[in-house]
Amino acid sequence: EDQVTQSPEALRLQEGESSSLNCSYTVSGLRGLFWYRQDPGKGPEFLFTLYSAGEEKEKERLKATLTKKESFLHITAPKPEDSATYLCAVPGNTGKLIFGQGTTLQVKP
Amino acid sequence: EPEVTQTPSHQVTQMGQEVILRCVPISNHLYFYWYRQILGQKVEFLVSFYNNEISEKSEIFDDQFSVERPDGSNFTLKIRSTKLEDSAMYFCASSGSLNTEAFFGQGTRLTVV
Repeated sequence: EDQVTQSPEALRLQEGESSSLNCSYTVSGLRGLFWYRQDPGKGPEFLFTLYSAGEEKEKERLKATLTKKESFLHITAPKPEDSATYLCAVPGNTGKLIFGQGTTLQVKP
Repeated sequence: EPEVTQTPSHQVTQMGQEVILRCVPISNHLYFYWYRQILGQKVEFLVSFYNNEISEKSEIFDDQFSVERPDGSNFTLKIRSTKLEDSAMYFCASSGSLNTEAFFGQGTRLTVV
């Protein structure tokens, strides 16, 4: 059964303190891996798609990387507005997304 | 920028009542999904819909649930007889092709009392 596990569950950083979020996955065949950002009471907002090991994508202070077993979301010099829950997901056969529990990031000024 | 829109944003209903949650997916997308998120828990898949039929449904999606695409733009989720445990955020999503990124609506918060 396809599974996604994210760690840590919660992360508190000071503004400017860089860190990484982890997403480990077990799938029968990788069809891609997606990162989303979710603000409280809102729908997931798409960030990145990664399809193959070694691939990297960047957007502002965020960089996503992919290996054969896990993905990392690196946050460089975060700002308070980066505070959110970050979700990782992999697609199943019919395109349904299997989500991890998420990492809730709090960045303090 | 194209977006998925959902209505209503919040619905309160009595246990046993029927509710219909509405979604307008992105116009050129072909794959449609419903997910739900109980407070504090992960986003869970309910159903996927392609070519006017259900392509996959989860164990949660029992006989009380149904989906419809009544015209070229709307995609609806109906819960026939709501239960307290149906209280959750319901998200609609759409994607242009299989295994590409899905875009989510802002959700409908369903409260069953």
